[in-house]
Amino acid sequence: GNSVTQMEGPVTLSEEAFLTINCTYTATGYPSLFWYVQYPGEGLQLLLKATKADDKGSNKGFEATYRKETTSFHLEKGSVQVSDSAVYFCALTLYNTDKLIFGTGTRLQVFP
Amino acid sequence: NAGVTQTPKFRVLKTGQSMTLLCAQDMNHEYMYWYRQDPGMGLRLIHYSVGEGTTAKGEVPDGYNVSRLKKQNFLLGLESAAPSQTSVYFCASSPEEGRSWEQYFGPGTRLTVT
Repeated sequence: GNSVTQMEGPVTLSEEAFLTINCTYTATGYPSLFWYVQYPGEGLQLLLKATKADDKGSNKGFEATYRKETTSFHLEKGSVQVSDSAVYFCALTLYNTDKLIFGTGTRLQVFP
Repeated sequence: NAGVTQTPKFRVLKTGQSMTLLCAQDMNHEYMYWYRQDPGMGLRLIHYSVGEGTTAKGEVPDGYNVSRLKKQNFLLGLESAAPSQTSVYFCASSPEEGRSWEQYFGPGTRLTVT
C-alpha cells in the first residue's frame, strides 16, 4: 500500500544548528510529496511541496528534494530558530485521489 | 476571513454519550475532511466530502457519522462515544479537485471520553 515513514523524534537542537528530518515513502503510483508543520496549539499548515522527481520545494528557509531513486523527501534547514519548534509531517498524494497520506510526525525542539 | 473554524475546542464525554463537532470554512472550498490525531499515529482520515451533499469513508470511519448539508459546514457525529475515541480532531478543507493536497486546517477539538 501507500505509506510515509518518518524518523522518530523528538529532534532536539540548539539555535543555529543544521536540521535534517528524514522521510521515505512507499507508493503504487507516482506521488506528489509535501511537508506540513504544526505549531503548538494550532492546526497543520502546508510548508512546502514537490510534484515530480528532482523537484526541490522550499519555504521559510526549509528545503526538501524529491528523490525517486531513494524514495525520499528529507526536510532540511541550515540554521534553525527557536520559533521553528513544532511537529513536522511528511505526506503524499497520488494523482486522481482526493486524499493526503501523512506520516506520524516528528517533533522538533530548538533551544536558545 | 476566519479560514477553518471548529466548535467546540474542548469536550469531555462519558461513555455512551453523543455529540456533534462542527467545522465551518469561509473560503468556498469544495472538499472537506475530518481527521483524528493520536500520539505515534499521525493523522488518520475519518471521513471526507468532495462537495455539498456528498460524504465518503476514510481510513477509520467506524463509530463516526458525517453530514455536509451546506457547502461551508461539515459535521462529525459520535452516536455512542467510547474511550477509544479520545483524541484530537482536526477538520480541513481544500479548494477543488486536483488540489486536494492543499489543505487548510482548523485549530482542533480535544475530546476526552471517560
